[in-house]
Amino acid sequence: TQLLEQSPQFLSIQEGENLTVYCNSSSVFSSLQWYRQEPGEGPVLLVTVVTGGEVKKLKRLTFQFGDARKDSSLHITAAQPGDTGLYLCAGNSGYSTLTFGKGTMLLVSP
Amino acid sequence: GAVVSQHPSRVICKSGTSVKIECRSLDFQATTMFWYRQFPKQSLMLMATSNEGSKATYEQGVEKDKFLINHASLTLSTLTVTSAHPEDSSFYICSASTTNHEQFFGPGTRLTVL
Repeated sequence: TQLLEQSPQFLSIQEGENLTVYCNSSSVFSSLQWYRQEPGEGPVLLVTVVTGGEVKKLKRLTFQFGDARKDSSLHITAAQPGDTGLYLCAGNSGYSTLTFGKGTMLLVSP
Repeated sequence: GAVVSQHPSRVICKSGTSVKIECRSLDFQATTMFWYRQFPKQSLMLMATSNEGSKATYEQGVEKDKFLINHASLTLSTLTVTSAHPEDSSFYICSASTTNHEQFFGPGTRLTVL
């Protein structure tokens, strides 16, 4: 069974601070996806990383896929209250199902 | 981006009744759709994988007779919670998979069983 360890589970910060969320596994993934979910809504796909060592930027969000494709990180610069939500990483091993991390609940206070 | 709709968004029913939830991929065809259950402040728990034209594959511990899944077309999958009980109350989310295995999620259905 593949596992994806996501940390931290909870993060409460002030507006303007930076933060990093980590997803680690002992398994290799062919791709890894990051989602953001707001209460009462479905997860929204932020990015898919495919190549080992890949870095993708989405405004203030920077996503990195580890060289060995076993880990990934999400870094948010100058967090804003609108960034509040549940962040989920999910790994794909080449089949259609995803392995989800347990999620990081981020609260950004004004 | 790919859009997935889910209906209804909220449903309240009495114990013992059945509830059907629809999941549609609006702008792409999905050979595979997934049904998840989510408890408050937790990650998604995969219930079953639904392939068009074939029987769904259920995860361990998920009763297939309790949660009936039908994937009648490339754009529609349904989940029927049969004889619902209060412990079935939850947030149910579907997703549809593209050919490169990206999953796009519906907005979810909040089920409350009284």
